[in-house]
Amino acid sequence: EPEVTQTPSHQVTQMGQEVILRCVPISNHLYFYWYRQILGQKVEFLVSFYNNEISEKSEIFDDQFSVERPDGSNFTLKIRSTKLEDSAMYFCASRLSVGVGTDTQYFGPGTRLTVL
Amino acid sequence: AQSVTQLDSHVSVSEGTPVLLRCNYSSSYSPSLFWYVQHPNKGLQLLLKYTSAATLVKGINGFEAEFKKSETSFHLTKPSAHMSDAAEYFCAAYSGTYKYIFGTGTRLKVLA
Repeated sequence: EPEVTQTPSHQVTQMGQEVILRCVPISNHLYFYWYRQILGQKVEFLVSFYNNEISEKSEIFDDQFSVERPDGSNFTLKIRSTKLEDSAMYFCASRLSVGVGTDTQYFGPGTRLTVL
Repeated sequence: AQSVTQLDSHVSVSEGTPVLLRCNYSSSYSPSLFWYVQHPNKGLQLLLKYTSAATLVKGINGFEAEFKKSETSFHLTKPSAHMSDAAEYFCAAYSGTYKYIFGTGTRLKVLA
């Protein structure tokens, strides 16, 4: 069964450093998402991406964040200058379409980002 | 604004007894609702979803949920808990723009 994959599974970085989190969505899916989950808190929406542009972003997704689909298969989340409060589990998700039966988002296993 | 409320942060049940995880939503329109499960150090796995068809939805691993519009609820149930059901459960709703709004999660503990 196709699945969303994410790399790395765990990333440790120093405050102020740039990180890139990578995701490979399910191959025929058209909509892509990033969510994050700070330890002990709920999963929060960051950004959605369709047709090579951002569809929607939350207030969390400030100028330090960017997303890209560089090569038609990968979907990346970049944090330019990490802060301690960026420490969280980051989930990538993809969705086929918007129609009934195709609107479910499929999640990757997550990347745990630790900012020291 | 749309919101999802999970009424219990922790639920403990004995193995073999029923499970009830509660979820309420607020929405100005008929929502799509989902239950996901997260095992330790794992991603989010879809258990089941409601998308305005049958109000009683059956999912994987013996779970089911009933959509009750009058109560704005979508509670998750299972007749008999298994040790492997111990995990975090998230209720979620689609917003009008197809992003998920998640509840705060319920940690299910299954006692032997």
